[in-house]
Amino acid sequence: DVKVTQSSRYLVKRTGEKVFLECVQDMDHENMFWYRQDPGLGLRLIYFSYDVKMKEKGDIPEGYSVSREKKERFSLILESASTNQTSMYLCASSLSMTAAHGYTFGSGTRLTVV
Amino acid sequence: EDKVVQSPLSLVVHEGDTVTLNCSYEVTNFRSLLWYKQEKKAPTFLFMLTSSGIEKKSGRLSSILDKKELFSILNITATQTGDSAVYLCAVDASGTYKYIFGTGTRLKVLA
Repeated sequence: DVKVTQSSRYLVKRTGEKVFLECVQDMDHENMFWYRQDPGLGLRLIYFSYDVKMKEKGDIPEGYSVSREKKERFSLILESASTNQTSMYLCASSLSMTAAHGYTFGSGTRLTVV
Repeated sequence: EDKVVQSPLSLVVHEGDTVTLNCSYEVTNFRSLLWYKQEKKAPTFLFMLTSSGIEKKSGRLSSILDKKELFSILNITATQTGDSAVYLCAVDASGTYKYIFGTGTRLKVLA
């Protein structure tokens, strides 16, 4: 089975801290994505990456950056955490051209910024 | 602006009932529509639909796409408490596998 692993299930951070959320996939997928999920707003795309060192802004990139130094790992960085970044963060991956099953998601990281 | 709208937002039924969840979309360059089930953690894939009028079926779940009227439905027959979840609809509107998600329908099945 394809596995997408997010390093933390729950995180509590203080306002202003730099926060790293890690995501690793084990199926050599080209595409990786970071979404946040909030009640009433659904999943919103923050950043995605088509290849190593390639990144594209999604719909809500402000306050975030990403890093993809290796194909299997896609990191989301909150440069200076704020309370409005309290959310569930979901990482996903997909094959480049034959995403017959769409995304494979990680289990999510619930981040609370206090 | 591309958008995906799901209805109802939430639904409470009793075991054995049949439910129909709706997903309508307004997007350019439609490529595919996906349904996911999300319980407490990672959304899990249910169906991918690309062609109009062809029903996808898996056990008690089925889904169909209408590309003319721009919607899809997800049917669950003989519901069970294990069907309680948020059901997400997502549309690939650009052909780049970057999906636009609806807000989801929260289904609760009572014993």
